Amino acid sequence: EPEVTQTPSHQVTQMGQEVILRCVPISNHLYFYWYRQILGQKVEFLVSFYNNEISEKSEIFDDQFSVERPDGSNFTLKIRSTKLEDSAMYFCASSGLTGANVLTFGAGSRLTVL
Amino acid sequence: QQQVKQSPQSLIVQKGGISIINCAYENTAFDYFPWYQQFPGKGPALLIAIRPDVSEKKEGRFTISFNKSAKQFSLHIMDSQPGDSATYFCAATGGGGSNYKLTFGKGTLLTVNP
Repeated sequence: EPEVTQTPSHQVTQMGQEVILRCVPISNHLYFYWYRQILGQKVEFLVSFYNNEISEKSEIFDDQFSVERPDGSNFTLKIRSTKLEDSAMYFCASSGLTGANVLTFGAGSRLTVL
Repeated sequence: QQQVKQSPQSLIVQKGGISIINCAYENTAFDYFPWYQQFPGKGPALLIAIRPDVSEKKEGRFTISFNKSAKQFSLHIMDSQPGDSATYFCAATGGGGSNYKLTFGKGTLLTVNP
């Protein structure tokens, strides 16, 4: 079964450092998303991406965050200068043209900011 | 108006019992209501979903009941098993075009005792 792949599974970084989280969505999917989940809390929307541009972003997704689809297969989330409160599980998701509202999530990247 | 409210926060059920989780929404533009199941350390996985043109959908032991006038929907797990122990999230989306983002409830931690 096709799956969304995320790397790294866990990253520990110092406050103020830049972090890039990587995702390989399902190959024929067109819609891409990043969500985050602080430990024990709900899954929160960060950003949606379609046709090589951001279609919507949440209040959480401030100027420190950016997304990119550099090569047609990867979808990355960059946090420019990490804060303690960025510590969370970050999930990438994708969906296709058929069943666009059926999002498939990756296993997540756990980010720990010290 | 974008919120999805979920209850209870946690639920303990005996093996063989019925687990019931409830959700309510406000945005009448929502037109797709999935339930996601999440095991510790994993990403959310689609369990079952419903559209507002039907009042009930059943897949195996899992049933969604949908009340459009009350703007409520619920997940029923019949004959609950210890392997069903997980966090369950209801969600909703009303997107289209370039964005099918999901709005999640806060989650219900289900524990099924053997």
